[in-house]
Amino acid sequence: GAVVSQHPSRVICKSGTSVKIECRSLDFQATTMFWYRQFPKQSLMLMATSNEGSKATYEQGVEKDKFLINHASLTLSTLTVTSAHPEDSSFYICSAVGLAGDLQYFGPGTRLTVT
Amino acid sequence: RKEVEQDPGPFNVPEGATVAFNCTYSNSASQSFFWYRQDCRKEPKLLMSVYSSGNEDGRFTAQLNRASQYISLLIRDSKLSDSATYLCVVNMDSSYKLIFGSGTRLLVRP
Repeated sequence: GAVVSQHPSRVICKSGTSVKIECRSLDFQATTMFWYRQFPKQSLMLMATSNEGSKATYEQGVEKDKFLINHASLTLSTLTVTSAHPEDSSFYICSAVGLAGDLQYFGPGTRLTVT
Repeated sequence: RKEVEQDPGPFNVPEGATVAFNCTYSNSASQSFFWYRQDCRKEPKLLMSVYSSGNEDGRFTAQLNRASQYISLLIRDSKLSDSATYLCVVNMDSSYKLIFGSGTRLLVRP
Protein backbone atom coordinates (compact mmCIF):
# COMPACT_ATOMS: atom_id res chain seq x y z
CA GLY A 1 0.00 0.00 0.00
CA ALA A 2 0.92 3.66 -0.30
CA VAL A 3 3.33 4.94 2.35
CA VAL A 4 3.48 8.43 3.79
CA SER A 5 6.29 9.50 6.11
CA GLN A 6 6.63 12.46 8.43
CA HIS A 7 9.71 14.00 9.92
CA PRO A 8 10.40 14.57 12.71
CA SER A 9 8.24 12.18 14.68
CA ARG A 10 8.66 14.21 17.81
CA VAL A 11 9.99 17.70 18.47
CA ILE A 12 10.36 19.88 21.51
CA CYS A 13 11.02 23.56 20.99
CA LYS A 14 11.09 26.75 22.96
CA SER A 15 8.32 29.30 22.78
CA GLY A 16 8.90 31.83 20.00
CA THR A 17 10.87 29.53 17.72
CA SER A 18 9.71 28.03 14.42
CA VAL A 19 9.39 24.35 13.62
CA LYS A 20 9.21 22.70 10.20
CA ILE A 21 7.45 19.37 9.69
CA GLU A 22 7.90 17.38 6.49
CA CYS A 23 5.37 15.08 4.89
CA ARG A 24 6.51 12.77 2.10
CA SER A 25 4.68 10.31 -0.10
CA LEU A 26 7.30 7.59 -0.52
CA ASP A 27 6.02 5.47 -3.36
CA PHE A 28 3.45 7.60 -5.13
CA GLN A 29 2.87 11.13 -6.30
CA ALA A 30 0.36 13.23 -4.44
CA THR A 31 -1.04 16.38 -5.95
CA THR A 32 -3.06 16.96 -2.79
CA MET A 33 -1.95 16.61 0.79
CA PHE A 34 -3.79 17.55 3.95
CA TRP A 35 -2.58 18.76 7.33
CA TYR A 36 -4.50 17.88 10.48
CA ARG A 37 -4.05 18.71 14.13
CA GLN A 38 -5.22 16.59 17.04
CA PHE A 39 -5.35 17.78 20.64
CA PRO A 40 -5.51 15.23 23.49
CA LYS A 41 -8.80 13.36 23.69
CA GLN A 42 -10.11 15.18 20.61
CA SER A 43 -10.48 14.13 17.02
CA LEU A 44 -8.49 15.19 14.00
CA MET A 45 -9.22 18.69 12.80
CA LEU A 46 -8.34 19.63 9.24
CA MET A 47 -6.06 22.65 9.17
CA ALA A 48 -5.39 23.09 5.47
CA THR A 49 -5.31 21.50 2.06
CA SER A 50 -1.94 21.57 0.38
CA ASN A 51 -1.92 21.58 -3.41
CA GLU A 52 1.25 21.04 -5.41
CA GLY A 53 2.33 24.20 -7.17
CA SER A 54 -0.33 26.45 -5.70
CA LYS A 55 -1.24 28.15 -2.44
CA ALA A 56 -2.67 26.09 0.36
CA THR A 57 -6.32 26.40 1.30
CA TYR A 58 -6.80 26.99 5.01
CA GLU A 59 -9.80 26.03 7.11
CA GLN A 60 -11.69 28.67 8.99
CA GLY A 61 -9.89 29.78 12.13
CA VAL A 62 -6.45 28.57 11.03
CA GLU A 63 -3.95 31.41 10.64
CA LYS A 64 -2.14 31.11 7.32
CA ASP A 65 0.67 33.39 8.46
CA LYS A 66 1.34 31.21 11.47
CA PHE A 67 1.09 27.83 9.78
CA LEU A 68 3.07 28.11 6.57
CA ILE A 69 2.52 25.34 4.05
CA ASN A 70 4.70 24.64 1.06
CA HIS A 71 4.00 21.88 -1.47
CA ALA A 72 6.88 22.30 -3.85
CA SER A 73 6.90 18.82 -5.34
CA LEU A 74 4.54 15.93 -5.93
CA THR A 75 6.03 14.00 -3.02
CA LEU A 76 6.71 16.63 -0.38
CA SER A 77 4.66 19.09 1.63
CA THR A 78 6.00 21.03 4.60
CA LEU A 79 4.22 22.71 7.49
CA THR A 80 6.10 25.39 9.39
CA VAL A 81 4.72 26.48 12.74
CA THR A 82 6.07 30.01 13.17
CA SER A 83 6.62 31.66 16.54
CA ALA A 84 5.34 28.59 18.30
CA HIS A 85 3.57 28.93 21.65
CA PRO A 86 2.63 26.30 24.22
CA GLU A 87 -0.95 26.23 22.91
CA ASP A 88 0.44 25.00 19.56
CA SER A 89 1.57 21.81 21.28
CA SER A 90 -0.34 19.07 19.51
CA PHE A 91 -0.16 16.00 17.29
CA TYR A 92 0.21 17.10 13.66
CA ILE A 93 -0.73 14.53 11.02
CA CYS A 94 -0.50 14.79 7.26
CA SER A 95 -2.22 12.73 4.63
CA ALA A 96 -1.87 12.33 0.89
CA VAL A 97 -4.43 11.41 -1.69
CA GLY A 98 -3.54 8.19 -3.47
CA LEU A 99 -3.10 7.65 -7.17
CA ALA A 100 -6.69 6.59 -7.72
CA GLY A 101 -7.85 9.66 -5.87
CA ASP A 102 -10.17 7.68 -3.65
CA LEU A 103 -8.34 7.16 -0.38
CA GLN A 104 -6.18 9.26 1.89
CA TYR A 105 -3.03 7.75 3.31
CA PHE A 106 -1.91 9.13 6.63
CA GLY A 107 1.57 9.83 7.89
CA PRO A 108 2.59 8.60 11.35
CA GLY A 109 2.23 12.07 12.86
CA THR A 110 4.55 14.56 14.54
CA ARG A 111 4.18 15.30 18.21
CA LEU A 112 5.09 18.93 18.89
CA THR A 113 5.74 20.18 22.40
CA VAL A 114 6.38 23.89 22.89
CA THR A 115 7.93 24.78 26.24
CA ARG B 1 -24.47 20.76 15.63
CA LYS B 2 -21.31 18.80 14.84
CA GLU B 3 -20.93 17.60 11.28
CA VAL B 4 -20.16 14.07 12.42
CA GLU B 5 -21.32 12.87 15.84
CA GLN B 6 -20.33 9.78 17.75
CA ASP B 7 -20.85 8.45 21.25
CA PRO B 8 -17.41 8.92 22.88
CA GLY B 9 -17.77 5.81 25.04
CA PRO B 10 -15.76 4.16 26.41
CA PHE B 11 -17.34 0.83 25.62
CA ASN B 12 -15.87 -1.71 28.02
CA VAL B 13 -16.63 -5.25 26.84
CA PRO B 14 -15.30 -8.77 27.51
CA GLU B 15 -13.44 -10.74 24.90
CA GLY B 16 -15.83 -12.45 22.52
CA ALA B 17 -18.56 -9.86 22.90
CA THR B 18 -20.34 -8.17 20.03
CA VAL B 19 -20.29 -4.40 20.11
CA ALA B 20 -21.93 -1.78 17.89
CA PHE B 21 -20.96 1.83 17.28
CA ASN B 22 -23.18 4.45 15.75
CA CYS B 23 -22.51 7.69 13.99
CA THR B 24 -24.68 10.42 12.49
CA TYR B 25 -23.72 13.06 9.96
CA SER B 26 -25.38 16.38 9.26
CA ASN B 27 -24.76 16.98 5.56
CA SER B 28 -27.16 14.99 3.42
CA ALA B 29 -24.96 15.63 0.38
CA SER B 30 -22.06 13.66 1.90
CA GLN B 31 -20.59 11.28 -0.59
CA SER B 32 -18.23 8.79 1.02
CA PHE B 33 -18.12 7.20 4.42
CA PHE B 34 -15.42 5.37 6.33
CA TRP B 35 -14.52 3.85 9.63
CA TYR B 36 -10.95 4.45 10.80
CA ARG B 37 -9.20 2.97 13.78
CA GLN B 38 -6.76 4.99 15.86
CA ASP B 39 -4.48 3.54 18.51
CA CYS B 40 -3.14 5.74 21.27
CA ARG B 41 -0.64 8.33 19.98
CA LYS B 42 -0.71 6.88 16.47
CA GLU B 43 -2.14 7.97 13.16
CA PRO B 44 -5.62 6.79 12.07
CA LYS B 45 -5.73 3.71 9.89
CA LEU B 46 -8.54 2.88 7.49
CA LEU B 47 -10.66 0.04 8.79
CA MET B 48 -13.25 -0.05 6.04
CA SER B 49 -15.29 2.03 3.65
CA VAL B 50 -19.04 2.05 4.17
CA TYR B 51 -21.51 1.45 1.37
CA SER B 52 -25.28 1.76 1.20
CA SER B 53 -25.58 -1.94 0.57
CA GLY B 54 -23.62 -2.68 3.73
CA ASN B 55 -20.30 -4.42 3.73
CA GLU B 56 -18.52 -6.99 5.81
CA ASP B 57 -14.85 -7.68 6.40
CA GLY B 58 -14.30 -10.65 8.66
CA ARG B 59 -15.62 -9.78 12.10
CA PHE B 60 -16.49 -6.22 11.07
CA THR B 61 -19.74 -5.14 9.44
CA ALA B 62 -20.53 -1.58 8.38
CA GLN B 63 -23.90 -0.18 7.41
CA LEU B 64 -25.00 3.13 5.93
CA ASN B 65 -28.52 4.54 6.06
CA ARG B 66 -28.61 7.62 3.86
CA ALA B 67 -32.22 8.44 4.67
CA SER B 68 -31.42 8.65 8.39
CA GLN B 69 -27.85 9.94 7.83
CA TYR B 70 -26.62 7.18 10.06
CA ILE B 71 -23.59 4.91 9.91
CA SER B 72 -22.87 1.88 12.05
CA LEU B 73 -20.02 -0.49 12.77
CA LEU B 74 -20.53 -3.92 14.29
CA ILE B 75 -17.63 -5.89 15.72
CA ARG B 76 -18.25 -9.55 16.46
CA ASP B 77 -16.16 -11.83 18.67
CA SER B 78 -14.15 -8.93 20.10
CA LYS B 79 -10.41 -9.46 20.56
CA LEU B 80 -8.12 -7.70 23.01
CA SER B 81 -6.37 -6.21 19.99
CA ASP B 82 -9.60 -4.47 18.97
CA SER B 83 -9.09 -2.00 21.84
CA ALA B 84 -8.71 1.38 20.14
CA THR B 85 -10.64 4.50 19.21
CA TYR B 86 -12.96 4.09 16.24
CA LEU B 87 -13.44 7.18 14.09
CA CYS B 88 -16.44 7.76 11.87
CA VAL B 89 -15.30 9.75 8.85
CA VAL B 90 -17.29 11.45 6.12
CA ASN B 91 -16.22 12.96 2.82
CA MET B 92 -18.52 15.84 2.02
CA ASP B 93 -17.67 16.48 -1.59
CA SER B 94 -15.25 15.74 -4.41
CA SER B 95 -12.43 17.71 -2.80
CA TYR B 96 -11.22 14.68 -0.79
CA LYS B 97 -11.66 16.62 2.45
CA LEU B 98 -12.49 14.29 5.33
CA ILE B 99 -14.52 15.26 8.37
CA PHE B 100 -13.73 13.18 11.43
CA GLY B 101 -16.04 12.34 14.29
CA SER B 102 -14.64 12.63 17.78
CA GLY B 103 -14.26 8.87 18.01
CA THR B 104 -15.64 6.06 20.15
CA ARG B 105 -13.23 4.38 22.50
CA LEU B 106 -13.41 0.58 22.83
CA LEU B 107 -11.78 -1.37 25.64
CA VAL B 108 -11.84 -5.15 25.34
CA ARG B 109 -11.00 -6.88 28.60
CA PRO B 110 -9.83 -10.47 29.12
